[in-house]
Amino acid sequence: KQEVTQIPAALSVPEGENLVLNCSFTDSAIYNLQWFRQDPGKGLTSLLLIQSSQREQTSGRLNASLDKSSGRSTLYIAASQPGDSATYLCAVPDNYGQNFVFGPGTRLSVLP
Amino acid sequence: DTAVSQTPKYLVTQMGNDKSIKCEQNLGHDTMYWYKQDSKKFLKIMFSYNNKELIINETVPNRFSPKSPDKAHLNLHINSLELGDSAVYFCASSQDFGRRGRKSSPLHFGNGTRLTVT
Repeated sequence: KQEVTQIPAALSVPEGENLVLNCSFTDSAIYNLQWFRQDPGKGLTSLLLIQSSQREQTSGRLNASLDKSSGRSTLYIAASQPGDSATYLCAVPDNYGQNFVFGPGTRLSVLP
Repeated sequence: DTAVSQTPKYLVTQMGNDKSIKCEQNLGHDTMYWYKQDSKKFLKIMFSYNNKELIINETVPNRFSPKSPDKAHLNLHINSLELGDSAVYFCASSQDFGRRGRKSSPLHFGNGTRLTVT
């Protein structure tokens, strides 16, 4: 059964810092991994989608990497801003490849 | 235009009642989903529906049933509501169903429906 963990559970940093969020999954036979952002009281917004054939994806100040063999992905946020404050979740397909299994999220606070 | 829209945003009701949550997507996606986010913020799949195929999470009580009048809509009906059903319910959609070996498109989520059962 696919399980996803994320560390740290919460993170508070001053504005301008570069930071790394971690995601681990138990079944490495995935064909993609997604990173999402969730603002309080809102739905999830897809940030990056990495296909299994890729090692990383970049969008603006965000860079996500994928190491399937070790069951890990990292989300790197450069020059963090207060507007980056949100919960970040990663998701991978389940063992049947039909639904997505979500991690518990990392709650990020960027202090001005 | 909102890509995935859910109504209502808030729903407060008493135990034993039957209620529905509506979801519509205007992205032309083939697959729609219902997720439940509990008080600890864990997101868990309830259903995924791709035209003719419905995948049900075995842990979902049969009081919950999805209804899809067409490809753009997937409504969630809940019978005999219980206190433990209180949560935020999210609708989502994606272009394809996701099979091993196939590329999969991002999930697009609605803003959620906060259900409170009293």
